[in-house]
Amino acid sequence: DAKTTQPTSMDCAEGRAANLPCNHSTISGNEYVYWYRQIHSQGPQYIIHGLKNNETNEMASLIITEDRKSSTLILPHATLRDTAVYYCIVRVAGSARQLTFGSGTQLTVLP
Amino acid sequence: NAGVTQTPKFRVLKTGQSMTLLCAQDMNHEYMYWYRQDPGMGLRLIHYSVGEGTTAKGEVPDGYNVSRLKKQNFLLGLESAAPSQTSVYFCASSYVGWYEQYFGPGTRLTVT
Repeated sequence: DAKTTQPTSMDCAEGRAANLPCNHSTISGNEYVYWYRQIHSQGPQYIIHGLKNNETNEMASLIITEDRKSSTLILPHATLRDTAVYYCIVRVAGSARQLTFGSGTQLTVLP
Repeated sequence: NAGVTQTPKFRVLKTGQSMTLLCAQDMNHEYMYWYRQDPGMGLRLIHYSVGEGTTAKGEVPDGYNVSRLKKQNFLLGLESAAPSQTSVYFCASSYVGWYEQYFGPGTRLTVT
């Protein structure tokens, strides 16, 4: 699996968009970009995933650069409940071997 | 629809004791996973199963055993607990492969 690099922490004002970057410069053509988050003491929660096109769902948008070497997760209107650790994971779809979550980005939404 | 449930929520063991953690899902998912999460660290895959009657090793399988006798249940066993196994254990399931995974609430295990 391709390695990912994320900032350790970020702050965002409540109501503003939160933009969380992820670098994955060694990504392969068949690897997807997945985003999960973990609110303190809870199990991780799936957010969104994509291959090369931008994706949007009810929780967030995922913007993947044309060369696929980086991506950005966008929470359009952050709330206090979005405070969590956000994990960017690069993965071949359909494979469950040797799965590893990195250390992620601690997003703190400030009132 | 309860999703993924884990039993127990908390447990304290003494070194050398054994225990089994139970994971149950009611979504008819084929794949199930056990992870551990240590303080300040990300999740690490212990074992996983791609279907009833199958199991496979993940990143950190030593000291653990698993069984998947029924599709909806995935058991994680510690035969002789060690302090290094103090962690939060999460179970997850997915319909197929590594797509959207649904996680349980976790089991906090302390080994003294």
